[in-house]
Formats: sequence, structure tokens, C-alpha cells
Amino acid sequence: EAEVAQSPRYKITEKSQAVAFWCDPISGHATLYWYRQILGQGPELLVQFQDESVVDDSQLPKDRFSAERLKGVDSTLKIQPAELGDSAMYLCASSRLSQETQYFGPGTRLLVL
Amino acid sequence: SQQGEEDPQALSIQEGENATMNCSYKTSINNLQWYRQNSGRGLVHLILIRSNEREKHSGRLRVTLDTSKKSSSLLITASRAADTASYFCATDFMDSNYQLIWGAGTKLIIKP
Repeated sequence: EAEVAQSPRYKITEKSQAVAFWCDPISGHATLYWYRQILGQGPELLVQFQDESVVDDSQLPKDRFSAERLKGVDSTLKIQPAELGDSAMYLCASSRLSQETQYFGPGTRLLVL
Repeated sequence: SQQGEEDPQALSIQEGENATMNCSYKTSINNLQWYRQNSGRGLVHLILIRSNEREKHSGRLRVTLDTSKKSSSLLITASRAADTASYFCATDFMDSNYQLIWGAGTKLIIKP
């Protein structure tokens, strides 16, 4: 069964450093999502792509976060510089179409020291 | 906020009992979805129910939707230890560009 791949699974970094997360969605899925989930809370959408285009990045802190999906397949989320408050689980999900079921990867747990 | 809200925040029951979780939302929706998240892992889709549907079943799961009350419930029958997880509802609001709005989840613990 096809799955969403994410790497790394865990990342520890110091504040002010740069970090990057990678996501490979299920083949054929046009829509890709990056979420941030703080412990004990639901996911918060950071950015949504339709193919290579950004559909929604209204909640993305653009002064330090960036996301790209250059060829409309895999995607990278970057934080520079990382802050203590960025410690969270970063989840990637994909769906065939934007209004359909989302399939999630295992997530990247980020700890900023 | 347009966020869905789950109730209760936490639920602990004996194995074999039924578990019921509720989700309320504030504005009209296209559909409502339930997801499960095991500790420290990604989310797994359980059921999607559309606004014109009232009830859906999947194995031991039963979801109901009452659009007049803007609420949904998830029933897990004959619970098992493996059902221990957090359960989230996510709503797709009309005019939201199909963005899902998530609740804070119900943490379910099944005691052996």
C-alpha cells in the first residue's frame, strides 16, 4: 500500500540554526499539505500545494518558514532560523484531490534547544 | 474560531465496552472526517461523512452527523487495547477552499 514518506523522523537542533524537512506524497496525489502539531492539540495547516502551486499559506510564518514543491511531486519545508517555539511535530499529508481524504506521513518531531 | 471541538477531551474505558466521542462545529460544512492518531505517529483516516449523509459505518465504527445541531459522533463498539489513541474530527467548511479545520482531539485509553 502506497504511503507518504517523510524524513527525518526526528530532528534536534539549536535555536537560530536552519532545519529542513522532506516529504514524498503518494504517487498521483496532486494536493500536498504541511501541518504543524503541538503536543495535545490538533494539526494546524501551514501550507497547501496544488501540484507545484501554493493554494494556501496564510498560517505560514513567512519570515522564517519556506516551502516548495518545485516539480509538483516531493516537497521541502524549511525553517531558518529555528526558534524554541518551533518545537512540534511536522506532518505532511497528500490527497488525490483537495476535497478528498488526506493520507498522512509518520511526521518529523522537531526539538529546538 | 471555526475549529471543531471534540468532547470529551479524554476517555478511559474497559476493553470490550463501547466508546463514544463527539464533535461540534460552528458553520455549515461540506463534509466531516474522523482520524485516529497513535502516540507520536501520523494520522490515519477513519471515515468521511458528507453533509447530506446522516450515518456511516465501517467495521466497528459508526459515525453520525446532525447538521441541525452542527455535531457529529464517533462510536467504537467492542473496544480493544489497539483502539487506544487520540481521535480527531476535521471539518471542511463551505467557502474554505477545502481546507480542513481540526479539533484538539479526544484521547481514548482502553484498559485491559
